[in-house]
Amino acid sequence: EVQLQQSGPELVKPGASVKMSCKASGYTFTDYYMKWVKQSHGKSLEWIGDINPNNGGTSYNQKFKGKATLTVDKSSSTAYMQLNSLTSEDSAVYYCARGERTDAMDYWGQGTSVTVSS
Amino acid sequence: EIVLTQSPTTMAASPGEKITITCSASSSISSNYLHWYQQKPGFSPKLLIYRTSNLASGVPARFSGSGSGTSYSLTIGTMEAEDVATYYCQQGSSIPRTFGSGTKLEIK
Repeated sequence: EVQLQQSGPELVKPGASVKMSCKASGYTFTDYYMKWVKQSHGKSLEWIGDINPNNGGTSYNQKFKGKATLTVDKSSSTAYMQLNSLTSEDSAVYYCARGERTDAMDYWGQGTSVTVSS
Repeated sequence: EIVLTQSPTTMAASPGEKITITCSASSSISSNYLHWYQQKPGFSPKLLIYRTSNLASGVPARFSGSGSGTSYSLTIGTMEAEDVATYYCQQGSSIPRTFGSGTKLEIK
């Protein structure tokens, strides 16, 4: 069974950074891209970027360049996203999702809630 | 950036009613790159239809998708209470990948 298990909720101060994880199981980690999606409270979905676990190659939404950094650890089948210089605008739920490069996101993690507050 | 405009924004349907949600793209998209997701309150999005018209695993046959170019649609043949959710279209044709603003479906 394919599963994407994301790390727990984060409460962080403005200006800080946060690194969240997404541990994959039930499939060959390097066979699919890992995509990251932001959902602000009550809002739609925004694609942040994706990473090819095979070679670490990344594509980013221009809006999130400099804000988000995507990495993977093939040895533990885990994808990571770091968000820098956090502001209240970064408060949201962040999802990881599996998919081929241009194809649909067929499995999603449960989401990591990030709250930026002093 | 390809903007996806969904219509309607919200709607309410009676059980058994046929529902159609549309997704209009600001530029033409190959049908291979248009997908639909269902998100129930408090849950992660779930893939519903991929590449315009292919049902994802486990999705009931009352759901269907169609379209081409800049105009796509999601249809629920007969509304059921469990279909209460927000539905999003998404394009994988160009970067940035984008989602529609969502259609919230309620039951009458």
